[in-house]
Amino acid sequence: DAEITQSPRHKITETGRQVTLACHQTWNHNNMFWYRQDLGHGLRLIHYSYGVQDTNKGEVSDGYSVSRSNTEDLPLTLESAASSQTSVYFCASSDSGNVLTFGAGSRLTVL
Amino acid sequence: GEDVEQSLFLSVREGDSSVINCTYTDSSSTYLYWYKQEPGAGLQLLTYIFSNMDMKQDQRLTVLLNKKDKHLSLRIADTQTGDSAIYFCAESPGFQKLVFGTGTRLLVSP
Repeated sequence: DAEITQSPRHKITETGRQVTLACHQTWNHNNMFWYRQDLGHGLRLIHYSYGVQDTNKGEVSDGYSVSRSNTEDLPLTLESAASSQTSVYFCASSDSGNVLTFGAGSRLTVL
Repeated sequence: GEDVEQSLFLSVREGDSSVINCTYTDSSSTYLYWYKQEPGAGLQLLTYIFSNMDMKQDQRLTVLLNKKDKHLSLRIADTQTGDSAIYFCAESPGFQKLVFGTGTRLLVSP
């Protein structure tokens, strides 16, 4: 069965370290998205991609980067982790419509 | 700007109806969505409504859309303990991009 997987599911890191969260989907979806979920804010869009070599900034992109070298993967990198980036991160993918398929989430704690 | 608002919490008794409300800002959204998030999991699509519709019913779920007031609601009939979750509404202001609300945590007590 097709799926979307995120790793690691839990990560604790220190301020200033570089962190990469992986997202891999086998749906063959063109569109991939990264959201963060925080209490009181719901889900906010970080970055998104409509295809290979395409990346776009969302509403909270500062301090994050993504790259899309193939259809299946959209890794999210925090160049220098900050405590404000402690959150739960969700990757999602979609085909041509707006119906998103979500991963199970990655909980990141920055100490 | 884009802003989708929901109340944060709703508590009901098993067997009652639940109504979760949402207000959105982008009148150009073609579809409006309801997603459900169970504990420790990602979001799953529950239902959606096309913007030229007023109502959509799907088994125990009824979605009402008031475009004039930019108000969306989700009614769950005969609410069960398994319906306890966080419910997100979402608008689609741009090409294949969703803006989510803050989420409403529904607690169903026996």
